[in-house]
Amino acid sequence: GAGVSQSPSNKVTEKGKDVELRCDPISGHTALYWYRQSLGQGLEFLIYFQGNSAPDKSGLPSDRFSAERTGGSVSTLTIQRTQQEDSAVYLCASSLGVFQPQHFGDGTRLSIL
Amino acid sequence: GDSVTQMEGPVTLSEEAFLTINCTYTATGYPSLFWYVQYPGEGLQLLLKATKADDKGSNKGFEATYRKETTSFHLEKGSVQVSDSAVYFCALSKQDGGTSYGKLTFGQGTILTVHP
Repeated sequence: GAGVSQSPSNKVTEKGKDVELRCDPISGHTALYWYRQSLGQGLEFLIYFQGNSAPDKSGLPSDRFSAERTGGSVSTLTIQRTQQEDSAVYLCASSLGVFQPQHFGDGTRLSIL
Repeated sequence: GDSVTQMEGPVTLSEEAFLTINCTYTATGYPSLFWYVQYPGEGLQLLLKATKADDKGSNKGFEATYRKETTSFHLEKGSVQVSDSAVYFCALSKQDGGTSYGKLTFGQGTILTVHP
């Protein structure tokens, strides 16, 4: 079946612009996670959604970062006023439930010029 | 907070050599432990997992044993192949119903290159 789908696969933008990254989880998966993979920081947790519960935003690095999940399915990660340190690969994962194995998408490679 | 430490890489081996990638962790409670693999140009894939002390996870010839006394989860394979060349990540998550929601804490990753 279809895996986790992320778009775009690559995004290049100028410093100060806003960007939106999309994640389409596996159908039926109720838990959705965003992670960031960067050279300096490795793989870091950003935010977690589970059903209709309030998201866990404890990993978001600043208030320029936000995310939403509409209808319990597709999620969008938004970065406002991008900075060069935001350059990274942004990974989305979904799972059947909060303690089930996470399935990852191929990521969005974000480059800030 | 919780953390995972992997041996520094990169690791370069010849085909059919024995592989060990060390992983140790620091965590309160009783975490579950994972190895994820990222092949060139692909996303992260779960390789194996163990959910309690002394459990052994295994997949594709790779093994790792959850050692609570040494807080370790070393990855081993008896005979590596060129196709095993990838980046390997050790990770933990709390599965105890607390506020961690199963989020993964990763090690820094180890690049493995296997030559013919």
